[in-house]
Amino acid sequence: SAVISQKPSRDICQRGTSLTIQCQVDSQVTMMFWYRQQPGQSLTLIATANQGSEATYESGFVIDKFPISRPNLTFSTLTVSNMSPEDSSIYLCSVDDYLTDTQYFGPGTRLTVL
Amino acid sequence: SQQGEEDPQALSIQEGENATMNCSYKTSINNLQWYRQNSGRGLVHLILIRSNEREKHSGRLRVTLDTSKKSSSLLITASRAADTASYFCATALSGGYNKLIFGAGTRLAVHP
Repeated sequence: SAVISQKPSRDICQRGTSLTIQCQVDSQVTMMFWYRQQPGQSLTLIATANQGSEATYESGFVIDKFPISRPNLTFSTLTVSNMSPEDSSIYLCSVDDYLTDTQYFGPGTRLTVL
Repeated sequence: SQQGEEDPQALSIQEGENATMNCSYKTSINNLQWYRQNSGRGLVHLILIRSNEREKHSGRLRVTLDTSKKSSSLLITASRAADTASYFCATALSGGYNKLIFGAGTRLAVHP
């Protein structure tokens, strides 16, 4: 299974600022996914990041608010821009094991916006 | 909207009892995956069942899938206090890459 790390593990930010979350995988993967988990809720897919192409965003999520980079096959970043308290959530990245279709998740970044 | 709905939303049992969680979904799927999450941390993958499978086992876990009813169940046998967590089902839709749609989750509390 893939080993995934995220930085930072948690942060407290002021409204109006931006935070970039990093996701690092220990093996090369084609697809990486970014999810949001609002307090007490389930996970919602933000976007899919394929190396070498623009990220594909789900309904309700836009690139200006959540820009994503995917510079290589082991790394991706998600930026939460112009934050408001409603952005307080856990943000998780995940990757596919294409041989088994199993999706593995990073430990998450817990973001609090004041 | 969420693809999956889970019930119950919360379940409280004693150690040694079995816990059953159910998941329903709306559209055709490639596979369905179950995850555990402890106290808002990362997700731990438990088991994947494909659309052409009906039942899978892994240790104390048993997962069933009924595609005609668009439903799945997760059974944890002989539960332990360490099983206390939230459990989520997630479906990978047919015809696309493996993006997952999550259910609302079941909060399981196992009391010593």
